[in-house]
Amino acid sequence: QAQLVQSGAEVRKPGSSVKVSCKASGGTFSSYAFSWVRQAPGQGLEWVGGIIPTLGAANYGQKFQGRVIITADEFTRTAYMELSSLKFEDTAVYYCARGLWFGEHHYYYYMDVWGKGTTVTVSS
Amino acid sequence: EIVLTQSPGTLSLSPGERATLSCRASQSVSSSYLSWYQQKPGQAPRLLTYGASTRATGVPDRFSGSGSGTDFTLTISRLEPEDFAVYYCQQYGSSPWTFGQGTKVEIK
Repeated sequence: QAQLVQSGAEVRKPGSSVKVSCKASGGTFSSYAFSWVRQAPGQGLEWVGGIIPTLGAANYGQKFQGRVIITADEFTRTAYMELSSLKFEDTAVYYCARGLWFGEHHYYYYMDVWGKGTTVTVSS
Repeated sequence: EIVLTQSPGTLSLSPGERATLSCRASQSVSSSYLSWYQQKPGQAPRLLTYGASTRATGVPDRFSGSGSGTDFTLTISRLEPEDFAVYYCQQYGSSPWTFGQGTKVEIK
């Protein structure tokens, strides 16, 4: 059964960085793309970015460009999201989500399996 | 980027009633690559539909998605108690992927 297990809650100071992991089980890892979606307290969902590990292709939400790096390790079946220059408003639950990717010149994927989320708190 | 606008913000209905949720895109969504998610308090989102109208595995047939271009709809034919939640549309046809702001379906 497909499952995504995320790393534990983190507390960071403004200006620092955080790296969150997401280990996948079930299915063929190379068939999937991994997205990161965040949700600030009481707010909606916001797409941070995603990666297709087998292609090494990552793309990011406009507001996160230059501040986020998404990577993946096929051998350990783990995806990572590193967010730097943290601000108070980055306090949120960060979800990892998986979906089959498709396409030839452009690549597409939705999100059908979700992790439970990792709470990142930015506090001085 | 494509901006998705959902309406209404809140829908107050009784169990057994029909719910119609709207999602409008600022530009055409490529190949109708639009999905709907359900989220309950304290839980991760759950995929309901993708490709505008294909139900995800295990999703009851009272949920149906429709639409193309810039206008999409999620219909819940008869609300069950477990359907009261927040619903989000999301497009994956044009990078960066984007979400709508959500519609809350609450018990009247």
